[in-house]
Amino acid sequence: DAGVIQSPRHEVTEMGQEVTLRCKPISGHNSLFWYRQTMMRGLELLIYFNNNVPIDDSGMPEDRFSAKMPNASFSTLKIQPSEPRDSAVYFCASSVQGSDEKLFFGSGTQLSVL
Amino acid sequence: GENVEQHPSTLSVQEGDSAVIKCTYSDSASNYFPWYKQELGKRPQLIIDIRSNVGEKKDQRIAVTLNKTAKHFSLHITETQPEDSAVYFCAASRYDYKLSFGAGTTVTVRA
Repeated sequence: DAGVIQSPRHEVTEMGQEVTLRCKPISGHNSLFWYRQTMMRGLELLIYFNNNVPIDDSGMPEDRFSAKMPNASFSTLKIQPSEPRDSAVYFCASSVQGSDEKLFFGSGTQLSVL
Repeated sequence: GENVEQHPSTLSVQEGDSAVIKCTYSDSASNYFPWYKQELGKRPQLIIDIRSNVGEKKDQRIAVTLNKTAKHFSLHITETQPEDSAVYFCAASRYDYKLSFGAGTTVTVRA
C-alpha cells in the first residue's frame, strides 16, 4: 500500500486566493482526519470523517475552511479566501475505527500564503 | 476535552545514554496512548502505542509505561543513536478515536 497520499506537497499562493488540498486515505481505512501543524500551536485536529461523514469539525478555524469526503478514497480541504495566518503544514491521516485505531499520516502539504 | 501536556520541550543526550519523555493527560476516560516520531520535514510516524489495560510495552530500544491512577505515561529510549534525533509527540484518546497531541519534545542525540 502506498500509504496516505496528499497533494500538492507544496503550495504557494497569494492572500485572497482559493486553496484546495487533496488526500487519498489508505485503502480500507474508514476514518480520515485533517490536521494542521504550526510551531505555535503544534498539531491541531481540524476535522474528522467516519465512513465519509463529518463527525467532528469543531477544530475548523472559521467559515473560510471547508472539507469534503465524497467517497471512501478521496477528501479535500478548501480554504477560501486564504490568509497569511493560514500558512502551515496540513496533514491528512487515516485509520480503521473499530479496529486497532493506529493513525497513519500523509506527507503533508506545506502551504504558504503571501 | 482532553488536554495532554508533554515535558521536556527539548532534550539533549549523549549517544548511548537514555532519553525519557513524560506526558500527562486530563481525561480519565482516555484509553489509547500512542507515540509519534517526526523527523525534520517528514510526517509523524507511529513508533509505539499502549492501551489502558497494559502498564508497560517494549519494542527493542523503546518502551512506554502508563500510570492510569496518576494519568501519566512516558517514553523511554535506551542506547540512543544519532538517528533517534527527532521531535516526539505523545497523544491520548478515548473511545471516540479523537487523538489529542502533546506539544512535542525535540530530542538531540550528541555523537
